[in-house]
Amino acid sequence: QQQVRQSPQSLTVWEGETAILNCSYEDSTFDYFPWYWQFPRESPALLIAIRPVSNKKEDGRFTIFFNKREKKLSLHITDSQPGDSATYFCAASAYNQGKLIFGQGTKLSIKP
Amino acid sequence: DPKIIQKPKYLVAVTGSEKILICEQYLGHNAMYWYRQSAKKPLEFMFSYSYQKLMDNQTASSRFQPQSSKKNHLDLQITALKPDDSATYFCASSLGQYNNQAPLFGEGTRLSVL
Repeated sequence: QQQVRQSPQSLTVWEGETAILNCSYEDSTFDYFPWYWQFPRESPALLIAIRPVSNKKEDGRFTIFFNKREKKLSLHITDSQPGDSATYFCAASAYNQGKLIFGQGTKLSIKP
Repeated sequence: DPKIIQKPKYLVAVTGSEKILICEQYLGHNAMYWYRQSAKKPLEFMFSYSYQKLMDNQTASSRFQPQSSKKNHLDLQITALKPDDSATYFCASSLGQYNNQAPLFGEGTRLSVL
């Protein structure tokens, strides 16, 4: 059972454009949603995270929009840079549970 | 310097053999985890430990056994290795099990089973 889903599987945008990565979940007990990015041959690294008390979290060019009613969230990357090319993972965890459930990832390519 | 050390970085094993993947963290974290990443299943939770106690096990096979000799160590023993076990195994840690804090990942051990 896939509890966290991401779309699209891959995405290509031009440098300077806004990339939008989507994520949805099924378990209503999930209350923490970190996004990780992973470069080839490296380990996942935390990029930004949100809790459902907020519907938006911003960190520089990266913004999470969260819709609790629809169980959806999205990661917006504005002014995309070639260095943003990576695989992005949406993850979720429930309160008092340390484990993260990851989506399948979105491979983002930024064309210069 | 990496704060989560995994050894070895690369590992080649033959089918049926046994290997131990080493993980130690120097972050003062109380919770440690194992995740697995392969082409078939991108990032899959395996185990979580808190204060050296097993908290969650999502691995169906008993061939995978975590071992915690110290609070900052969480090794992973894999017995009767199969080619399907080929994957990158990531150790991770966070301050606590109950903080909903995103774990930090080690650099991984890339296991190939022939």
